[in-house]
Amino acid sequence: GNSVTQMEGPVTLSEEAFLTINCTYTATGYPSLFWYVQYPGEGLQLLLKATKADDKGSNKGFEATYRKETTSFHLEKGSVQVSDSAVYFCALSTGSQGNLIFGKGTKLSVKP
Amino acid sequence: EAGVAQSPRYKIIEKRQSVAFWCNPISGHATLYWYQQILGQGPKLLIQFQNNGVVDDSQLPKDRFSAERLKGVDSTLKIQPAKLEDSAVYLCASSLTDRGYGYTFGSGTRLTVV
Repeated sequence: GNSVTQMEGPVTLSEEAFLTINCTYTATGYPSLFWYVQYPGEGLQLLLKATKADDKGSNKGFEATYRKETTSFHLEKGSVQVSDSAVYFCALSTGSQGNLIFGKGTKLSVKP
Repeated sequence: EAGVAQSPRYKIIEKRQSVAFWCNPISGHATLYWYQQILGQGPKLLIQFQNNGVVDDSQLPKDRFSAERLKGVDSTLKIQPAKLEDSAVYLCASSLTDRGYGYTFGSGTRLTVV
């Protein structure tokens, strides 16, 4: 079945450090891929998406590239800020019905 | 535009009691989803509505969970009777289409079953 695997957390970084959160997926067909973010006390928000192979999604300095050959969608940011502290979820949708399949989430803490 | 509204924000009940959650989606959004997010895990789909019809309820524990979407707008999710393992955040989301993006999530209802 369809599934998403993302790196275990928590991840603790110093401000301005480089961030990578790994995400790999298993899916039939050609899924759309997403990163959602959940800030403390808030709801899930879409961070970025990619709908086909080699697409790069980007937002707020975060980037992720849809790699079909490695079935991956790793999230990166060149210089994290304290305000980036949140839980990040990788997700996919096969598009047949639109429901999202999420990974377990990775908690990021950024220290000043 | 107004977001997806959910109530209550928090609920504590004893096992075997019943509980209901309410969701008001963004106006005009045809698709509505209920997800269950257990602590330390990603959200898991419980049920998906397209207007007032059920599209997918394959992961809904139908012996205790029920959901309806009246007139294709508001939705309620009910648990009766609740079990300890139902403790979770229940998220409602809506979207214009069923293509997997353009979701807006509500803030969720945190249920604790004691």
